[in-house]
Amino acid sequence: GESVGLHLPTLSVQEGDNSIINCAYSNSASDYFIWYKQESGKGPQFIIDIRSNMDKRQGQRVTVLLNKTVKHLSLQIAATQPGDSAVYFCAENYNQGGKLIFGQGTELSVKP
Amino acid sequence: DTGVSQDPRHKITKRGQNVTFRCDPISEHNRLYWYRQTLGQGPEFLTYFQNEAQLEKSRLLSDRFSAERPKGSFSTLEIQRTEQGDSAMYLCASSLALAGTQHFGDGTRLSIL
Repeated sequence: GESVGLHLPTLSVQEGDNSIINCAYSNSASDYFIWYKQESGKGPQFIIDIRSNMDKRQGQRVTVLLNKTVKHLSLQIAATQPGDSAVYFCAENYNQGGKLIFGQGTELSVKP
Repeated sequence: DTGVSQDPRHKITKRGQNVTFRCDPISEHNRLYWYRQTLGQGPEFLTYFQNEAQLEKSRLLSDRFSAERPKGSFSTLEIQRTEQGDSAMYLCASSLALAGTQHFGDGTRLSIL
């Protein structure tokens, strides 16, 4: 079935470096995409979202890029900090606020 | 804290027992969602409500699972005759309708002995 997937299961970066986490989605009808951060023992925490009528959105230290041509989503974290260590999930939605479809996640490890 | 609240945080039970989880959404949110997450995987959708109405159920939601949201506020998820495969984290999320961001609680971790 259709699903959101992630290219890399783990990513290790040095503190202060920029991180890029990638995601591929397969449903061309998806029109809303979200990145979540999940720390051990906690629920997913909203980071940033983007709608299909945009190709870039920036937040505080984070940027999401959407390439609809190749169905690709990425999360860029600037100046990565130890507190950014977590599992990151992308999720897609295609029916105006109904279910989200999640990928498997990328574990980000930040080395001090 | 006015986020999504789930109770209990942990539940350990014997195979064959029934369990019930509760979710209290963010107060102004009219949509409430249940997901299940196993180790190393992303959350999988189970069902969602808009106010009292259950609008969609996943095929993952077998007849042993039932969810309710009787007054359009809190919701309960019941699993009857639990099986080993039911061991997972059960997550609740809430949002405003029409593509509102889903905010998650910290989940109930279910362990079946």
